[in-house]
Amino acid sequence: AQSVTQLGSHVSVSEGALVLLRCNYSSSVPPYLFWYVQYPNQGLQLLLKYTSAATLVKGINGFEAEFKKSETSFHLTKPSAHMSDAAEYFCAPYNAGNNRKLIWGLGTSLAVNP
Amino acid sequence: SQTIHQWPATLVQPVGSPLSLECTVEGTSNPNLYWYRQAAGRGLQLLFYSIGIDQISSEVPQNLSASRPQDRQFILSSKKLLLSDSGFYLCAWSVGDGNTIYFGEGSWLTVV
Repeated sequence: AQSVTQLGSHVSVSEGALVLLRCNYSSSVPPYLFWYVQYPNQGLQLLLKYTSAATLVKGINGFEAEFKKSETSFHLTKPSAHMSDAAEYFCAPYNAGNNRKLIWGLGTSLAVNP
Repeated sequence: SQTIHQWPATLVQPVGSPLSLECTVEGTSNPNLYWYRQAAGRGLQLLFYSIGIDQISSEVPQNLSASRPQDRQFILSSKKLLLSDSGFYLCAWSVGDGNTIYFGEGSWLTVV
């Protein structure tokens, strides 16, 4: 069955610094991979989605993620962090088996320091 | 465009009292509907999902139940709340298989 690991439950960066949030899925290649963002006390919002059309996926708010099959990774990056990026980020591969649901990571809380 | 409405936004209930959280989706037909719970410091836990009226699957044993009285309405209920039911509840929808899931704004439940 599909599984996902988000390394680092808390990440702290300075404003203007590179943001790197890590996500690794299990060995079976999922047909879809999602990154969602959750701002405090709000629901989740889609950042970007991998659909196998391109390995580098661009999302909203300047975020992008690169699918690397050899590393079973789908890390989220942003060249320059902004204070408004402080939020919880979730990686979720789609389980194409009988379950056919999103498998949710535990999330990474991003803090941006001035 | 599609929208999802979830209410109430905040709820404080005593232990043993009933619960009803409602969710409606507009602008789409035959959506997949979901109820998630998010406890403090933990990830998302899928509670129920439904691919159609009278087709509801429960993911974890608990004292919660879900119903789908109409195609675009999803209700989360409990007859007697426990302290452990406290958390942030999220309703969500999608269409088809493997497509993006869209979330409501969530409902904070505190059981006291």
